[in-house]
Parts: sequence; C-alpha cells; structure tokens
Amino acid sequence: RKEVEQDPGPFNVPEGATVAFNCTYSNSASQSFFWYRQDCRKEPKLLMSVYSSGNEDGRFTAQLNRASQYISLLIRDSKLSDSATYLCVVNQGYGQNFVFGPGTRLSVLP
Amino acid sequence: DAGVIQSPRHEVTEMGQEVTLRCKPISGHNSLFWYRQTMMRGLELLIYFNNNVPIDDSGMPEDRFSAKMPNASFSTLKIQPSEPRDSAVYFCASSYIQSSSYEQYFGPGTRLTVT
Repeated sequence: RKEVEQDPGPFNVPEGATVAFNCTYSNSASQSFFWYRQDCRKEPKLLMSVYSSGNEDGRFTAQLNRASQYISLLIRDSKLSDSATYLCVVNQGYGQNFVFGPGTRLSVLP
Repeated sequence: DAGVIQSPRHEVTEMGQEVTLRCKPISGHNSLFWYRQTMMRGLELLIYFNNNVPIDDSGMPEDRFSAKMPNASFSTLKIQPSEPRDSAVYFCASSYIQSSSYEQYFGPGTRLTVT
C-alpha cells in the first residue's frame, strides 16, 4: 500500500460546481497534514494546512479523520482559476519527512 | 521578497556527465529540502537539511547522488555520473521551523534531461 493515496482524476467540473477530493494515508503516527496546489509546469504551493477540527479558508474546506486516516478537500463555487493538481501531503510522524500524494487533477470548465 | 532561487532552470546533458543543481533558500529559513518529480513516481523527497546539517537522506536514490549545504544560503545537488533515468524536475524548498508551522516554499525547479 502506498503511503499517501489520491484519486488521480481528472475531475472535470463546470464553473460554480462543488468538488471534493479525498486522500488516505497509511502511517498512523502522522501528525501534520496539508493540501498543496500545483499548476502545470510550476512549483507546488501551500493551499492550506489541515487541522483536527477541520478548517475553512474562503471557498475551501479541509477535513481530517484520524480514525480512518483520511483527509478531504472541498471546493465550493469552483472558478476557472482553480484548475490545477491538488497534492495531499502528510508527514511521517517524525522530523520534516513529508510525503506527497500523487495528486488529483482538476479542470474547471466554462 | 525573493523566493527560493534555483539554477539552472533547464539542463540538458549527456549520459555519464556530472550535473550540479544549485539552490538559494529564502533568507532566514533554517530547513532546506531537495525533491524530484516525475510522471511515474510523483514528487519524492531526496534529502533535507536543518541548520545546514543533513537530517534524512534516505530518499537519495543511490551513490551517484550527493547533496551539500556549506552555509545557510546555498545548497547543491550533484549527480555523477548522470543517467537517462535521472531525467526529472528537481525542486528545492525551504522552510522555517517554528511551533507547528511547516509550510515549505518551493523554488521554480530545474528541468533535467539526460540523453
């Protein structure tokens, strides 16, 4: 089993749609969780951290379920500019050894 | 503010040649990471440094790869000899460890092609 798994997509959605991405991780000792965004041929950039109680940043909501070792990202009212690959990132439970998932590609269509 | 700086941005070399990738982290950051990204394997951590000291190099694929950080503002990743399977985008990232903040700032990457 891979350490961090994501549905690769692509997810093709119309503007204004709500879309959800899921991520599962295998290391139960993991402590820190993040969603990064990567545009085509660009570097990854932090979208948001994921906190145990869940957190929201504008149109984006992240949830963590430690019991199921599962993280989600919800995007509401999607925009054309949301088109990118979304990377789930989990630390290994020690130091700063972060494992990136393979990413889920999102295309928001006009 | 200057972000993470990497050079060169593109490198094309022949198999067997030595390749050196360079990185300048964000000033004040005390952690530096080298990643490799390919379509097949995604983004993989190769090595990371805290306060210029290598902490975890378990991701370095083999002895052909080496990384150094002689000071807080400069790091190199060297491949000698290079092979076609080393073709990838190599990212450098930096962060500042404080409390629970682990945001990593990535450089633009070096696209390496080994023929």
